[in-house]
Amino acid sequence: DTGVSQNPRHKITKRGQNVTFRCDPISEHNRLYWYRQTLGQGPEFLTYFQNEAQLEKSRLLSDRFSAERPKGSFSTLEIQRTEQGDSAMYLCASSPRGFIPPAKNIQYFGAGTRLSVL
Amino acid sequence: AQKITQTQPGMFVQEKEAVTLDCTYDTSDQSYGLFWYKQPSSGEMIFLIYQGSYDEQNATEGRYSLNFQKARKSANLVISASQLGDSAMYFCAMSLTGTASKLTFGTGTRLQVTL
Repeated sequence: DTGVSQNPRHKITKRGQNVTFRCDPISEHNRLYWYRQTLGQGPEFLTYFQNEAQLEKSRLLSDRFSAERPKGSFSTLEIQRTEQGDSAMYLCASSPRGFIPPAKNIQYFGAGTRLSVL
Repeated sequence: AQKITQTQPGMFVQEKEAVTLDCTYDTSDQSYGLFWYKQPSSGEMIFLIYQGSYDEQNATEGRYSLNFQKARKSANLVISASQLGDSAMYFCAMSLTGTASKLTFGTGTRLQVTL
């Protein structure tokens, strides 16, 4: 039973470069989430997919950020023209369909990708 | 908008003792879920326990129990018989009924279990 997998685990880049992260959710899960966690804070929601459809995006997700889930399986998060403020842990989570009650959305997280922008 | 408050930045507990981690929440919705996650130094968020707003009984999962006081809007995590492996960051989170049911997290409490 494999959990949520994220690659790479660590990424160091120079300001202005583009980076892409990958998330492989638990195979039968149709919901996928991206969160960002900065030092000393809890994770903050970035975006949500149900199957291949991106249904919600946070205001935190500037135009430099784009996320895809092309076939409803793995997802990628790309950051263009990185800035030092983008340095954070990027967490991916997945959850199954049809939870009852609706608020019982237990999300299972990967180990995250830690991004450092120099 | 919903908000989670965790007022204890750090807590110490002796091995085998019980510890309570505080969490208060704010929402005007009637239907919501409350969660606790553990984050060890490796970074992965591990789900511990869930409490629904309409659940009449406090949730329990092994050594974890959730002390849910709806009128006070609190959802404290109780860890019984602490173990050295319990040392980690603990986050309280909430989700509302909606399209995304995304999680809103508090700032966390760092628990250190000592011998």
